[in-house]
Amino acid sequence: RKEVEQDPGPFNVPEGATVAFNCTYSNSASQSFFWYRQDCRKEPKLLMSVYSSGNEDGRFTAQLNRASQYISLLIRDSKLSDSATYLCVVLPSGGSYIPTFGRGTSLIVHP
Amino acid sequence: GAGVSQSPSNKVTEKGKDVELRCDPISGHTALYWYRQRLGQGLEFLIYFQGNSAPDKSGLPSDRFSAERTGESVSTLTIQRTQQEDSAVYLCAIYGTSGGPRYGTGELFFGEGSRLTVL
Repeated sequence: RKEVEQDPGPFNVPEGATVAFNCTYSNSASQSFFWYRQDCRKEPKLLMSVYSSGNEDGRFTAQLNRASQYISLLIRDSKLSDSATYLCVVLPSGGSYIPTFGRGTSLIVHP
Repeated sequence: GAGVSQSPSNKVTEKGKDVELRCDPISGHTALYWYRQRLGQGLEFLIYFQGNSAPDKSGLPSDRFSAERTGESVSTLTIQRTQQEDSAVYLCAIYGTSGGPRYGTGELFFGEGSRLTVL
């Protein structure tokens, strides 16, 4: 089983739609979780951290379920500019500072 | 990306040749990473430098791959006797912002990458 798994998609949604991505991780001792965004042929950039209590940043909401070992990202009122690949990232515990990236979920928002 | 310069941006080479990729981060960042991303795939960890500690080389796929870093400055990733499966984008990243590294936060700042094509 891969350490971090995501549905690669693509998710093809109309503007204004709400879309949700899930990501599962295998190491129950993982301590920190993040969503990165990667545009086509560009480097990944941090979208948001994921906190245990859940957190929101504008149209984006991230949630963590430690018991089931998954994190989610919800995007409301999708914009064309949201089209990108969303990468789930997990930082293990035990002093290792090596983030593990999921393969990413592709989102295409169409008019 | 802001704070990390990589060169060359594109490199086309013939199978069997050696290549050297360079990462030049802004000063003051002791943590530096190399990742590889094959077409349509996720990021694959290669190596991690942390100050003067021995680098974590656990992600290097074979002994044809090596990397060096002098202090908190430039890092080079060398691939010897390149193979077609080495074709990928090689990404360098640092932790934190220009205000200093933020260990353990998971916030990596990436360079724009070096796209390697092995014919």
